[in-house]
Amino acid sequence: AQTVTQSQPEMSVQEAETVTLSCTYDTSESNYYLFWYKQPPSRQMILVIRQEAYKQQNATENRFSVNFQKAAKSFSLKISDSQLGDTAMYFCARTGANNLFFGTGTRLTVIP
Amino acid sequence: EAQVTQNPRYLITVTGKKLTVTCSQNMNHEYMSWYRQDPGLGLRQIYYSMNVEVTDKGDVPEGYKVSRKEKRNFPLILESPSPNQTSLYFCASSLFWGNYGYTFGSGTRLTVV
Repeated sequence: AQTVTQSQPEMSVQEAETVTLSCTYDTSESNYYLFWYKQPPSRQMILVIRQEAYKQQNATENRFSVNFQKAAKSFSLKISDSQLGDTAMYFCARTGANNLFFGTGTRLTVIP
Repeated sequence: EAQVTQNPRYLITVTGKKLTVTCSQNMNHEYMSWYRQDPGLGLRQIYYSMNVEVTDKGDVPEGYKVSRKEKRNFPLILESPSPNQTSLYFCASSLFWGNYGYTFGSGTRLTVV
């Protein structure tokens, strides 16, 4: 099955703290790409970070970093120094079969 | 500005009345795709187009049609909309499928009554 699982429907974090969003996936492919997208209330889909499966080094983009565990098929997103503007729905996604498979999302609220 | 332009942003229609949601990108991307977003289900692919020659069904194609007559445009057509097609729709494009992040349109909130 081509599934992407986000087991945390909702999370909250205090401003300036660190939070980790979980994502696991299923695939039989050896090479693929993983993404985290942010969807703020404006509903725009914004690419946060990308990871290539054949690269062992975890991707980092400013305050956003991932913990990619290929054998465990796990791809978590860590947000450091959380800001109010980070409040959004976050989607994990994986490429496969001319498609981009999405998880069901984690709604993150940053509390002032 | 590089972008995917999707129109309309909001649409309310009645069952059975044909409608088209337009999508246009100005980045010379080969790959384009349509998704629908429903609560608790994430985003699911409706149709995709690898290039102007190749278009194919995604995971939830029933009740939808698409057209890719030119590289930049990829309209979504609902010939006879039904209430179960009430959803948030996104068009997305990428230089090529796979290792590039997709650029998404701003979404179309469709309500079928």
